[in-house]
Amino acid sequence: NAGVTQTPKFQVLKTGQSMTLQCAQDMNHEYMSWYRQDPGMGLRLIHYSVGAGITDQGEVPNGYNVSRSTTEDFPLRLLSAAPSQTSVYFCATGTGGFEQYFGPGTRLTVT
Amino acid sequence: AQSVTQLDSQVPVFEEAPVELRCNYSSSVSVYLFWYVQYPNQGLQLLLKYLSGSTLVESINGFEAEFNKSQTSFHLRKPSVHISDTAEYFCAVSDRGSEKLVFGKGTKLTVNP
Repeated sequence: NAGVTQTPKFQVLKTGQSMTLQCAQDMNHEYMSWYRQDPGMGLRLIHYSVGAGITDQGEVPNGYNVSRSTTEDFPLRLLSAAPSQTSVYFCATGTGGFEQYFGPGTRLTVT
Repeated sequence: AQSVTQLDSQVPVFEEAPVELRCNYSSSVSVYLFWYVQYPNQGLQLLLKYLSGSTLVESINGFEAEFNKSQTSFHLRKPSVHISDTAEYFCAVSDRGSEKLVFGKGTKLTVNP
């Protein structure tokens, strides 16, 4: 039981490049979400999904796209990376609002 | 919209001293409250949660938090800290029936020998 996995662990991008951060879960949770963590800012919600085919925006969605074709996977796409997107990204899953389970994170640097 | 205020960004304490990490949230409607802990270079782990029932909740490693509805607070306490408690602690809230978590900005607890 892997729980929540994220790949890659580290990534360096140049400004303007695109990439996809992967998130997968084997807990059969309907809810999945993406957060970014910046020093002194806590975690801020980027996008979330309440089930396959359903996604919605969080607090800081600009510059990011998501889709949810399966229960297990919830990739986050950076369309044209900017230095302001340098951050640590966490994927989380949950059900019923009672608890969320976080992945180990992806540390992204945009130069 | 919900907001969470963690009043202290950094809390240094000596080993075996008591500690309180403060958390206030904005709305008094029915909420779920959480404390998460993040050890250096790791993801977030749930420390404890309040969903309903007793307003005092405890974790397996000696932390406790009390839900105070009138003061909209959920402060985290430990009577005697260890070096291994050094970490960043995040308070979070969700409205009942919603999966969306709103986090505070975190409190870095440093336990010194």
